[in-house]
Amino acid sequence: QVQLVESGGGVVQPGRSLRLSCAASGFTFSSYAMHWLRQAPGRGLEWVAGMWYDGSNKYYPDSVKGRFTISRDNSKNTLYLQMNSLRAEDTAIYYCARDADATSKYYFDYWGQGTLVTVSS
Amino acid sequence: QLVLTQSPSASASLGASVKVTCTLSSGHSGYSIAWHQQQPEKGPRYLMMLNSDGSHIKGDGIPDRFSGSSSGAERYLTISSLQSEDEADYYCQSWGTGPFVVFGGGTKLTVL
Repeated sequence: QVQLVESGGGVVQPGRSLRLSCAASGFTFSSYAMHWLRQAPGRGLEWVAGMWYDGSNKYYPDSVKGRFTISRDNSKNTLYLQMNSLRAEDTAIYYCARDADATSKYYFDYWGQGTLVTVSS
Repeated sequence: QLVLTQSPSASASLGASVKVTCTLSSGHSGYSIAWHQQQPEKGPRYLMMLNSDGSHIKGDGIPDRFSGSSSGAERYLTISSLQSEDEADYYCQSWGTGPFVVFGGGTKLTVL
């Protein structure tokens, strides 16, 4: 069965960096686009990054562009999110999600359980 | 700019049916959406992708009790034979060229 397991969350000071990981299993990871989304405490869902199956295309919303970088290692079935210059408003549960397609249909047919990132001094 | 609007809450009795609505903003009635369920303290779960013509692609293992339909700018999720585990937040989500991804504000379903 498809499993997505996020890790790397924690408490970090404003302006610092953090890298999240997502270990995938139960499907051919290299055949699917992958995404990161987040959910601030008590709030709705927000997409923060996506990339194609082969890493050739990456996309971000304006809210994180230039600060966040998505990457993947298909040999390790792992997705990453490098977050730099973190702000208090980046505090959220971060979810890894699988796209329904290799080159992004932009809807998400499997989600992980999430990892909490808290940005606070 | 595409905006998805959902009622903040809905309720229905155990064993009954409920329809959750997602309304697409003006000029966007042709867009497809996806429905996701989020039970308390859990990650979201994909329910289905729903096209403007009402055709849909359900997620693996999603019971037949969950169905989708469309009418104009409205997208519906109907849950029949409500069970206690259906008590959750339900989010609609859409996407477009840019790319962009948008979510509705979510509907909190209470099973009475």
